[in-house]
Amino acid sequence: AQTVTQSQPEMSVQEAETVTLSCTYDTSESNYYLFWYKQPPSRQMILVIRQEAYKQQNATENRFSVNFQKAAKSFSLKISDSQLGDTAMYFCAFSPHDSNYQLIWGAGTKLIIKP
Amino acid sequence: DGGITQSPKYLFRKEGQNVTLSCEQNLNHDAMYWYRQDPGQGLRLIYYSQIVNDFQKGDIAEGYSVSREKKESFPLTVTSAQKNPTAFYLCASSFAGTVGETQYFGPGTRLLVL
Repeated sequence: AQTVTQSQPEMSVQEAETVTLSCTYDTSESNYYLFWYKQPPSRQMILVIRQEAYKQQNATENRFSVNFQKAAKSFSLKISDSQLGDTAMYFCAFSPHDSNYQLIWGAGTKLIIKP
Repeated sequence: DGGITQSPKYLFRKEGQNVTLSCEQNLNHDAMYWYRQDPGQGLRLIYYSQIVNDFQKGDIAEGYSVSREKKESFPLTVTSAQKNPTAFYLCASSFAGTVGETQYFGPGTRLLVL
């Protein structure tokens, strides 16, 4: 079975620090897509960043960047200059190429940014 | 503004009762999805639809039903056969339902059993 593992149930850092959230996945496929979604206290799920597995370059989106290690099946999210508004649950999700539509989700990491 | 709306925000179900959760989108997306979120778990797919009048079961479809009569609407009914319905329900949509597409989410409905 294809799975996504987020090994850090909860993390907290001081405002302005850099934090890295880990995500590993299990698949035998070579072509797939990876996502990080953020769910703030409002509970609305918001896309943070998306990565295509065949692209070597790591995706970036302003203060958010990923470290995609395909051989290790690792897809960590780095948040630089963290802000109070970054406090949220962060979910890693994986879309295998043969799934047609389906996202496979990790259990999430609760990130708390302290003032 | 384009987006996805879900109603109600909170819903209470009595024993043996069917309840319907509403999901509407004005993004002109073909594909729509229903997920269930439980504490400490990732999202689990209940149903999805890639086109009007067609939908497919996800991983946990038992006790749920859907319809897709209009492109913009995808209501979810939680039937009395669903023995543990207390959860947070998220509706999502994507452009065409193809692999790798970004899914956009509504604000969710919390269902509680009385």
